[in-house]
This record gives sequence, C-alpha cells and structure tokens, in this order.
Amino acid sequence: AQSVAQPEDQVNVAEGNPLTVKCTYSVSGNPYLFWYVQYPNRGLQFLLKYITGDNLVKGSYGFEAEFNKSQTSFHLKKPSALVSDSALYFCAVRVLSGSARQLTFGSGTQLTVLP
Amino acid sequence: DGGITQSPKYLFRKEGQNVTLSCEQNLNHDAMYWYRQDPGQGLRLIYYSQIVNDFQKGDIAEGYSVSREKKESFPLTVTSAQKNPTAFYLCASSIGAAPGNTIYFGEGSWLTVV
Repeated sequence: AQSVAQPEDQVNVAEGNPLTVKCTYSVSGNPYLFWYVQYPNRGLQFLLKYITGDNLVKGSYGFEAEFNKSQTSFHLKKPSALVSDSALYFCAVRVLSGSARQLTFGSGTQLTVLP
Repeated sequence: DGGITQSPKYLFRKEGQNVTLSCEQNLNHDAMYWYRQDPGQGLRLIYYSQIVNDFQKGDIAEGYSVSREKKESFPLTVTSAQKNPTAFYLCASSIGAAPGNTIYFGEGSWLTVV
C-alpha cells in the first residue's frame, strides 16, 4: 500500500526566511508526487508535481521541491517566505498500477509565516 | 471561467435524510473524484469516475452514492447510512486517470448534521 508522511503538523518561520515543509513517501514502483496548498475554508490549489526527469521541480508562487529517491522524500521549499504563504500544505503520491493509482494524501502541515 | 463548481457551499442535514452535493466542471475532463476532509486526517477518496457512466468505490464509499450521467457532472449523495457525515467535501477532476495527470479541486462543500 502506498502512504505519505508529513512529520510536522506545524511549521513556523519568520517572513523573509527560507521555508521547508517535509514529505516522505512509501510506494511500490515509481512515484508521482504532488504538492497542494489549502487556504481556510477553500479547496486545494495545485503547486507542483514530480513525474520524471530533473529532481528539482519548480512550481507556482516561487515554491520548489526536490525529489530524493534514496531518502524517499519530496520536501517543499521556498527561498524567502511571505506572510501570505501561511496555509495548510498537503503532499500526495500516485503510482502507476491498479487501484493504487489514486492520489494518497499526507495529513497536512500548517505553515505559519510570522511578520 | 473554466473550473470546478461545487454547490451548495454549506448544507445542513437532519438525521435520516439523504442529501446531494453538486459538482460541475467545464474543463472537459474525463476523470472526476469526491474526497472527504476531516481535521488532522488529510483527504480520503470516496468515489471516482474515469469516464461517463462508470464509477468506482474509493477508500470510504460506505454510506455514499454517485452517478456520472454526463461528462461535466458528478453529484454525490450522502445517505442516511453514513453515520458520521459532518465533514468538508471536495470534488476534483483531471484530464484523465493516468497517475501523472494533475487533479484539480473545487472550493468544497461543508456538510453538517443537525
């Protein structure tokens, strides 16, 4: 069975500092990895995804993520955090085969950027 | 505007009632999904449909039903058999069911049992 772990429920960072939101995954086969952001009382917005190729993926709003196969990680990063980045962030994984093709989400990390 | 429209935003259900959440997309996507979100548990898949007139159970389908009579519409009915229906419900779609396809989400619907 595939799974995603977001080990930190809450991440606090000062505005202007770099931020990292951690994600590790467990799958059989090659993973397809996604990051989404959710603002209060809203749906999920797609940020970026890793399919294949370059391990560093750039996405919306200045976010990027690095795929590390040996560590089975896909951490989300941003060089300089903004107060408006404060939101709930979800990592998710899909694989190629059978019923496990569906998107499996982590439990989410609440990011707070302090002014 | 292209997108996924969910309605209503807020819905209250009495004990023993069935309620239906609407989901419409104008993205010409083949695949559609329903997820349930509870605090601290991330999102869980209720049902998905890869094509019109076909749908599959997800991880937590008990107490829910769906239909896919039109490509753009995928309504979710929460039946009285669902014992704990209070949650945030998210509809989503993707161009196809291949795992590399991005899944896009609507704005969600809150369902509360009163």
